[in-house]
Amino acid sequence: EIVLTQSPDTLSLSPGERATLSCRASQSVSSYLAWYQQKPGQAPRLLIYDASNRATGIPARFSGSGSGTDFTLTISSLEPEDFAVYYCQQRSNWPPITFGQGTRLEIK
Amino acid sequence: QVQLVESGGGVVQPGRSLRLSCAASGFTFSSYGMHWVRHPPGKGLEWVALIWYDGSIEYYVDSMKGRFTISRDKSKNTLYLQMNSLRAEDTAVYYCARDLEPYSGSPGWVDPWGQGTLVTVSS
Repeated sequence: EIVLTQSPDTLSLSPGERATLSCRASQSVSSYLAWYQQKPGQAPRLLIYDASNRATGIPARFSGSGSGTDFTLTISSLEPEDFAVYYCQQRSNWPPITFGQGTRLEIK
Repeated sequence: QVQLVESGGGVVQPGRSLRLSCAASGFTFSSYGMHWVRHPPGKGLEWVALIWYDGSIEYYVDSMKGRFTISRDKSKNTLYLQMNSLRAEDTAVYYCARDLEPYSGSPGWVDPWGQGTLVTVSS
């Protein structure tokens, strides 16, 4: 089973700042990595798939990069609605599909 | 628009069974793989199971294999999760979700998701 480790666990930033979230895989997942956003009381929402493709309706301030074992989700300029928990997920070597433990992005 | 509405959650004693349902609308149900993903309280997301768009293939996470069964009824546009021999650690919000692409021979991107149904396993 591929283990995904996200860092940091919590990121404290202010609106307008740039956010950089990381996800490291225990073995190569090629580009088969996605990012999801989850707000309290809501279902997760797909942001990025295949490492760098934005899902439909996702603002351009969200971008993904990386391949192999190291991946990054960047939010170029934080909006108030971006403060949430973010998860990475792989579908390279499955089953099982696996998620990272999450990064909480909070308002500083 | 795509809608996924889960039902069937509740409080159940350890060792008992529960069946979750997910009513799908707004898309051609028989064209998409479907997933169950759960979110235990205070923890991260955990993928549970996937069923192929035509129902021909099922996959499970090892810890639930043999206890949980995913199925679908295309005449009712409904996805199911039969959960047997429930344990306290199965307590979670269970989400029904669609695979991103139709007829995918390599599914795994999960979107959209339903709002979830809470399953609490407790005596």
